[in-house]
Amino acid sequence: KAGVTQTPRYLIKTRGQQVTLSCSPISGHRSVSWYQQTPGQGLQFLFEYFSETQRNKGNFPGRFSGRQFSNSRSEMNVSTLELGDSALYLCASSGTGGRNEKLFFGSGTQLSVL
Amino acid sequence: DAKTTQPPSMDCAEGRAANLPCNHSTISGNEYVYWYRQIHSQGPQYIIHGLKNNETNEMASLIITEDRKSSTLILPHATLRDTAVYYCIVRPPGNQFYFGTGTSLTVIP
Repeated sequence: KAGVTQTPRYLIKTRGQQVTLSCSPISGHRSVSWYQQTPGQGLQFLFEYFSETQRNKGNFPGRFSGRQFSNSRSEMNVSTLELGDSALYLCASSGTGGRNEKLFFGSGTQLSVL
Repeated sequence: DAKTTQPPSMDCAEGRAANLPCNHSTISGNEYVYWYRQIHSQGPQYIIHGLKNNETNEMASLIITEDRKSSTLILPHATLRDTAVYYCIVRPPGNQFYFGTGTSLTVIP
């Protein structure tokens, strides 16, 4: 099986712009989660989507949004970029999100905001 | 919020067993303990998880104390490629993982 695929791998944007990141989960997985990793804050949960519905949400401002499509692929959008949004954005997938299920992570998208 | 406590760093000689401790004294009865590791700028990699019993797979062993308040990840024969940050995670209801700060393991030749 192919793993979790995230595109693009690297991205450079300027302040005020918006950005869309893409994640393709492992085939058959219906739960997709997004995480932000920065040197100062570590790995932080953004949100989770399951069957096209947001099921859980972390403590991030409304500029961070996402969606999931019927094929379970997910996109994450950040509007009005700030310098502090520079981070590694990680996507993870699992079957249904049950507590005994492993979470599989992609390699991430490294976003730099200038 | 992370419900685990791990030492910030550890060293281990190549070929020896690496024992990484984790304290999770407030764990609930139905919460699993997961271990992941992350090599710089890559996505976290699943290692092992368990509820009550000790678990073993091709990568590692997980020892959970009887009261479930702590656990130890054992890498039986550490190699240089095991140098990474190791995260111990208590998984709450829902699908969000709280990673904490982890233990930076350095395997020394």
